[in-house]
Amino acid sequence: DSGVTQTPKHLITATGQRVTLRCSPRSGDLSVYWYQQSLDQGLQFLIQYYNGEERAKGNILERFSAQQFPDLHSELNLSSLELGDSALYFCASSVGRWLGSGTQYFGPGTRLTVL
Amino acid sequence: DAKTTQPNSMESNEEEPVHLPCNHSTISGTDYIHWYRQLPSQGPEYVIHGLTSNVNNRMASLAIAEDRKSSTLILHRATLRDAAVYYCILENQAGTALIFGKGTTLSVSS
Repeated sequence: DSGVTQTPKHLITATGQRVTLRCSPRSGDLSVYWYQQSLDQGLQFLIQYYNGEERAKGNILERFSAQQFPDLHSELNLSSLELGDSALYFCASSVGRWLGSGTQYFGPGTRLTVL
Repeated sequence: DAKTTQPNSMESNEEEPVHLPCNHSTISGTDYIHWYRQLPSQGPEYVIHGLTSNVNNRMASLAIAEDRKSSTLILHRATLRDAAVYYCILENQAGTALIFGKGTTLSVSS
């Protein structure tokens, strides 16, 4: 158990819908990272938040957005869902604003299926 | 942005050493090199990281070339549990970019 929790574990929805994925970082960690893992793309970094502020951005689509709340939990919002958005979404957390200052701990993931 | 290149797959026998290479020819002087692995049906887990000097921990060793354009993750004695996808990641010290390689799928045979 990494200490990072993600809910829900599984999510099945239809194209065009909007969903919210939730992540609670390890106690004391200020950074939250979101990743998307699909079969053909491997692990893709989406976005990082540090202490409530956006810190780094990767290949995140405009239909996707995220935020980190004052209690440090984070939500990833996916809208206008397409079949290609079906993937495993991981959240990770670390103490500092960059990995060099500590290890990144991954949650168990949320499996999103868009039908 | 600096990128990494890894072989798609490698095979090893149990209890033999494994050397997993990563090429990062465009690395900058302040980029950290991180290795993570992902066991089947699990989230990735940290293995090791370094900047310039070779690093050792209980899981593995990281050998960094003198010019830093490549690095090698060394598993000293592979076990069946080491079968996973291994990712070589560069992170610049400003923390504005996280660049994953495609990963190397390591198979371990008994």
